[in-house]
Amino acid sequence: KAGVTQTPRYLIKTRGQQVTLSCSPISGHRSVSWYQQTPGQGLQFLFEYFSETQRNKGNFPGRFSGRQFSNSRSEMNVSTLELGDSALYLCASTRDIPGASAFFGQGTRLTVV
Amino acid sequence: QQQVKQSPQSLIVQKGGISIINCAYENTAFDYFPWYQQFPGKGPALLIAIRPDVSEKKEGRFTISFNKSAKQFSLHIMDSQPGDSATYFCAASTDYKLSFGAGTTVTVRA
Repeated sequence: KAGVTQTPRYLIKTRGQQVTLSCSPISGHRSVSWYQQTPGQGLQFLFEYFSETQRNKGNFPGRFSGRQFSNSRSEMNVSTLELGDSALYLCASTRDIPGASAFFGQGTRLTVV
Repeated sequence: QQQVKQSPQSLIVQKGGISIINCAYENTAFDYFPWYQQFPGKGPALLIAIRPDVSEKKEGRFTISFNKSAKQFSLHIMDSQPGDSATYFCAASTDYKLSFGAGTTVTVRA
């Protein structure tokens, strides 16, 4: 069974640009979550999607957005990039059962210059 | 405000020794407590997890101890091996949202 796939693995963007990251969950997993990992703040929850609907959202500015497609694939978008957005962005997929395990992809390393 | 507090920040253990990592939480709505292992350049990998109605769970060399009344849980790595050198994160989940501890870097000396 294929794991969670995130593309691209690495990105370099300039301040002010926008970026779109993609995530394909494990087959049969309909819940997709996004996390930001930085050395200073650790792992922080961005948002979670199920059936194309955002069910939960973390404390990030509106520049961070996401969506989910009917095949459960998800994208997240960051607009007007800032230097502080440089981070590893991780996607996790879960079966829609309370307390189900979340499985992470390898992440997308975003560097903003 | 970190909802899950993890300690120590780092630890060094000899090969064959025991590594112990502790976590504490406040939110009683948490209903699932996983541990993740992360190697540099990789995403976190699920190691072992426990639900609050269970006090201990063991999988191979890894054991979670859970104390619901104290709102604490810990990971014990028995017979530590050099390949266990990684960063370990405890987490707590509610409503499909994981709150992570700050992480513990474990170094196993051969």
